Amino acid sequence: GEDVEQSLFLSVREGDSSVINCTYTDSSSTYLYWYKQEPGAGLQLLTYIFSNMDMKQDQRLTVLLNKKDKHLSLRIADTQTGDSAIYFCAERNLYGGSQGNLIFGKGTKLSVKP
Amino acid sequence: NAGVTQTPKFQVLKTGQSMTLQCAQDMNHEYMSWYRQDPGMGLRLIHYSVGAGITDQGEVPNGYNVSRSTTEDFPLRLLSAAPSQTSVYFCASSYASSSEKLFFGSGTQLSVL
Repeated sequence: GEDVEQSLFLSVREGDSSVINCTYTDSSSTYLYWYKQEPGAGLQLLTYIFSNMDMKQDQRLTVLLNKKDKHLSLRIADTQTGDSAIYFCAERNLYGGSQGNLIFGKGTKLSVKP
Repeated sequence: NAGVTQTPKFQVLKTGQSMTLQCAQDMNHEYMSWYRQDPGMGLRLIHYSVGAGITDQGEVPNGYNVSRSTTEDFPLRLLSAAPSQTSVYFCASSYASSSEKLFFGSGTQLSVL
């Protein structure tokens, strides 16, 4: 079945850029997502990209999609301590066996040091 | 709009007890789903529904029942709780199963002793 992989941890210094990477196996993914989870909270949709795009920018966030390599990344510019959280990559194939449900990675814990 | 509301926020059960986790949304969303989140495992889909009266199994459905008698509500039932069901449970909804945005509730933390 479909799979989504992420590294588990990332540590950066405040003010630096953070890059969180994700790989997926479903070549027919329709949408790819980044969700943020702060401690004790639910998942907050940060951004998403349609599979026919290769880049999307939203303020400090830049999403890059390489469909050939099935690689998705999230870049956070000028990372702040408030960005410390777990970041989940997810993919959604509206026409495949997962019937439009999201397939999540295990999450990357971002730690921002002052 | 309140969005996606889950109750209770915390629950402790003994093995073998039953309970229902409630999920309600006021956005007139057709699609609703339940996920469980375990450390190092990410989120895994338990059950989902594409509309009132329609439910289907996800990746990890064993030990859980669902029903969808109204558009607004999608309760998750544990008939006989087991320690392996200790987890954080999230309900999510979207306008349709083909919608790009999925909205999550704040979660229910369940411990089964």
